Amino acid sequence: GIQVEQSPPDLILQEGANSTLRCNFSDSVNNLQWFHQNPWGQLINLFYIPSGTKQNGRLSATTVATERYSLLYISSSQTTDSGVYFCAVSMAGTALIFGKGTTLSVSS
Amino acid sequence: EPEVTQTPSHQVTQMGQEVILRCVPISNHLYFYWYRQILGQKVEFLVSFYNNEISEKSEIFDDQFSVERPDGSNFTLKIRSTKLEDSAMYFCASSVASGTVEQYFGPGTRLTVT
Repeated sequence: GIQVEQSPPDLILQEGANSTLRCNFSDSVNNLQWFHQNPWGQLINLFYIPSGTKQNGRLSATTVATERYSLLYISSSQTTDSGVYFCAVSMAGTALIFGKGTTLSVSS
Repeated sequence: EPEVTQTPSHQVTQMGQEVILRCVPISNHLYFYWYRQILGQKVEFLVSFYNNEISEKSEIFDDQFSVERPDGSNFTLKIRSTKLEDSAMYFCASSVASGTVEQYFGPGTRLTVT
């Protein structure tokens, strides 16, 4: 099946720093989503981005489907950005396949 | 903005008991899903449901699991005889169609089996 790899596995930042999270996938996909899991365990939809670029405030994402990767950019990080960031993809079927996530810690 | 809701937020049960986790998908959505996340691990797909039938399931979704849409709004996951290893966060999701569309996730139910 399709493999989803996220890097780095862990990231520690000072408040105000910028970061880039990467998601590589092993096959063509028709769906790619980025999630933030908050300390209460809730999955927050960040982006639905099977291709192209989107921005939402301090966050933006780019997916280059032909090269099988996606990037999530966080600018001017805040302590509330801490948590685990997951990338998930699906092929022709319905099941989203998740990566193992990037754990982000932002300190003040 | 419409959202997926799940109840309860936390359930504690004893090993061997049956549990039913409930979800209310977004009202105009036609595809429904269950995922689970064991503590500290990644989120895993369990099952998808469309037109009152299972459309896809993973190897995790064995005979102890079942899903149902008992009425026009609820979507349930039943675990027949819980085991310690069923302790996890269970997420419900829904989408308006399958394929190239976004899946919307609920807040999750944390199941603890003692």
